[in-house]
Amino acid sequence: EVQLVEAGGGLVQPGGSLRLSCEVSGFTFSSYAMNWVRQAPGKGLEWVSVISGSGDSANYADSVKGRFTISRDNSKNTLYLQMSRVRAGDTAVYYCAKDVVVVAAATFEFWGRGTLVTVSS
Amino acid sequence: DIQMTQSPSSLSASVGDRVTITCQASQDISNFLNWYQQKPGKAPNLLIYDASYLQPGVPSRFGGSGSGTDFTLTISSLQPEDVATYFCQQYDNLPLTFGGGTKVEIK
Repeated sequence: EVQLVEAGGGLVQPGGSLRLSCEVSGFTFSSYAMNWVRQAPGKGLEWVSVISGSGDSANYADSVKGRFTISRDNSKNTLYLQMSRVRAGDTAVYYCAKDVVVVAAATFEFWGRGTLVTVSS
Repeated sequence: DIQMTQSPSSLSASVGDRVTITCQASQDISNFLNWYQQKPGKAPNLLIYDASYLQPGVPSRFGGSGSGTDFTLTISSLQPEDVATYFCQQYDNLPLTFGGGTKVEIK
């Protein structure tokens, strides 16, 4: 059974930093790209970032480029999102999602339950 | 960026009704289109991939069609458990983008 479990959300002040993690099981982690997708309260879905299966390529939405860094540790079956210089507009539930391909971003086949990040002073 | 426009934004239908949701892309995306269902308080769930292929485990009353810029999600016979918000998503180009969502309720 595929499982994705996010952690690390919470309250952070504007300008601060936070690291999210997503521990996965039930599939060969290194064989698939992984994504972060977020959803502001009561709003729609926004793709944030993708990292390839090997971890050697990544892409970001313009809204987070230069502030967020995606990474993965294939030995630990864990995906990360380092969030820096956060803004109120980053307040959202952050989901990690398994892709169906090893490189690039395409289809969110499985999702975690999400972790809430609240940016507020 | 490719804009995805869904309509309607909400609908109310009776159990057993046929429900149709449309999604229009701002440019040709071939069949690089997925549909997701999100129930209240839950993560989204993949329903349809590549515009028309049913994800394993998804009931056969769900169907997808279209290519190019115009796509449709159909629920052939609405059931109470289908109350949810439905999103389309394109993966022809980065950034991946979603439609605004269609909230489906039971009349």
